[in-house]
Amino acid sequence: DAKTTQPPSMDCAEGRAANLPCNHSTISGNEYVYWYRQIHSQGPQYIIHGLKNNETNEMASLIITEDRKSSTLILPHATLRDTAVYYCIVRGANYGGSQGNLIFGKGTKLSVKP
Amino acid sequence: KAGVTQTPRYLIKTRGQQVTLSCSPISGHRSVSWYQQTPGQGLQFLFEYFSETQRNKGNFPGRFSGRQFSNSRSEMNVSTLELGDSALYLCASRVVLQETQYFGPGTRLLVL
Repeated sequence: DAKTTQPPSMDCAEGRAANLPCNHSTISGNEYVYWYRQIHSQGPQYIIHGLKNNETNEMASLIITEDRKSSTLILPHATLRDTAVYYCIVRGANYGGSQGNLIFGKGTKLSVKP
Repeated sequence: KAGVTQTPRYLIKTRGQQVTLSCSPISGHRSVSWYQQTPGQGLQFLFEYFSETQRNKGNFPGRFSGRQFSNSRSEMNVSTLELGDSALYLCASRVVLQETQYFGPGTRLLVL
């Protein structure tokens, strides 16, 4: 799985969009970009994933650059409850059923301030 | 649909003891993975089970073991506890042919 680089911390004002970047310059063609977040002392929560097209769900949007070497997770209207550590993970397509080992980096600690 | 559940939520043990943690996956999820989270090492993968067989193992000593039952529920066991085993232990389940994992709330273990 490709290595990812994220800034250690970011601040965002409540109600504004939070844009969390992730660099994955060694990503290969069949690897997906996944985002999870972990609110203090809770289990990580799946947010979104994508291959090369931009994706949106009820939680967030994922923008992947055309060369796929970086991506941005967008929380459109951040609230205090979005304060968490956000992890960007690159994973290969799973067809063999034996890839249950997510590799977490240090992530980005997002602080949403009133 | 109910989420992943883990029991107990908190546990205090002393060095040398052994401990068993339990995880019930989301209904229909046959894969269960276990992770350890400490402030120093972050989130680290322990092992994965599906169809009652260990499929994948992280870099942890043999004191850490697990098993899975026919209903997909899983347990992990740590024998001869050390102070460094104090951690949040997380369980995650998934549909075997899908990557997305769904995590439980964790069991916080304190070893004194």
